[in-house]
Amino acid sequence: GIQVEQSPPDLILQEGANSTLRCNFSDSVNNLQWFHQNPWGQLINLFYIPSGTKQNGRLSATTVATERYSLLYISSSQTTDSGVYFCAVEEGNSGGYQKVTFGTGTKLQVIP
Amino acid sequence: NAGVTQTPKFRILKIGQSMTLQCTQDMNHNYMYWYRQDPGMGLKLIYYSVGAGITDKGEVPNGYNVSRSTTEDFPLRLELAAPSQTSVYFCASSYDIGTGELFFGEGSRLTVL
Repeated sequence: GIQVEQSPPDLILQEGANSTLRCNFSDSVNNLQWFHQNPWGQLINLFYIPSGTKQNGRLSATTVATERYSLLYISSSQTTDSGVYFCAVEEGNSGGYQKVTFGTGTKLQVIP
Repeated sequence: NAGVTQTPKFRILKIGQSMTLQCTQDMNHNYMYWYRQDPGMGLKLIYYSVGAGITDKGEVPNGYNVSRSTTEDFPLRLELAAPSQTSVYFCASSYDIGTGELFFGEGSRLTVL
């Protein structure tokens, strides 16, 4: 099956700093999502981004499907950005159920 | 829209007991999923459904059962609970595969003692 690797596994930032999280995947995908799991365990949709670039406030994401990676940018980080960031990819098979595979996550801690 | 709603949020079971985790969505999504997340890990698919009356196994189906009698509801049944089933369970839904964004419920934390 498809392999999804995220880096870095852990990240500590000073409040106000910027960061880039990376998601590499081993095969073609139909779609890719970024999620934020907050310290209370809730999974929050950030971006649905099979290709191209999207921005939402201080967050933006870019997926280069041909090179099999996606980047999540966090600018001017805040303590509320703390948590685990997952990317999830749907494999690019044709027809039937297409498995969604989650990466192992990047654990981000933003300190005041 | 309430989105995806799971109950209960927390539950403690004794070994050998059974229980049902409830999941309902009000987005008229065709596809529904159950995942489990063990501490410090990503999510693993237990079961999924592509529509009412149709279900299939995911990566880790052993010890679980599901049914899908309506578009809205997708309950997960744990039979003969074991400590290995201690986990956080997430229900999710999407409109379609290949084009559909996944939406998650808030999770159900289950402990088996």
